[in-house]
Amino acid sequence: EPEVTQTPSHQVTQMGQEVILRCVPISNHLYFYWYRQILGQKVEFLVSFYNNEISEKSEIFDDQFSVERPDGSNFTLKIRSTKLEDSAMYFCASNPTEPIYGYTFGSGTRLTVV
Amino acid sequence: DQQVKQNSPSLSVQEGRISILNCDYTNSMFDYFLWYKKYPAEGPTFLISISSIKDKNEDGRFTVFLNKSAKHLSLHIVPSQPGDSAVYFCAARVLGDYKLSFGAGTTVTVRA
Repeated sequence: EPEVTQTPSHQVTQMGQEVILRCVPISNHLYFYWYRQILGQKVEFLVSFYNNEISEKSEIFDDQFSVERPDGSNFTLKIRSTKLEDSAMYFCASNPTEPIYGYTFGSGTRLTVV
Repeated sequence: DQQVKQNSPSLSVQEGRISILNCDYTNSMFDYFLWYKKYPAEGPTFLISISSIKDKNEDGRFTVFLNKSAKHLSLHIVPSQPGDSAVYFCAARVLGDYKLSFGAGTTVTVRA
């Protein structure tokens, strides 16, 4: 069964450092998303991406965050200057067409900012 | 974002019995509701969904009920199996939006 692949599974970074989280969505999917879950809290929407541009973003997704689809297969989330409160599980998801059907999540990257 | 609420953080049920998970929402613009299951160290996995034009959707052991007037939905798992032990998330979306709004999750433990 096709999967959304995320790397690394765990990343530790120092506060103030830049970090890039990587995702390989399912190959025929057209919509891409990042969500995060801070420990003990809800899964929160960060951003959606379609046709090489951001289609929607939350208030969490400020200027410190950016997304990119650099080569037609990878989908990345960059955090420019990490803060302690950025520590969370980050989930990538993708969808083939209509934004709901077949919404598939990756296993997540646990980001720890120290 | 408190639009989707799962007020029971945990549920313990005997194997073979029914598990009932509840979810309430406040946004009347939600038109589609989903349940996801999550094991530790894995991402959420889609379980079952329901459109706002329906009041029930069934898939094997899983049934979702929607009460629009009460802004309430529930997930029934019958019969519960040990492999059902996981965190269950209720999620919803507004027509035309891309994002899903999640509840806080309910941890289900199925006892042998």
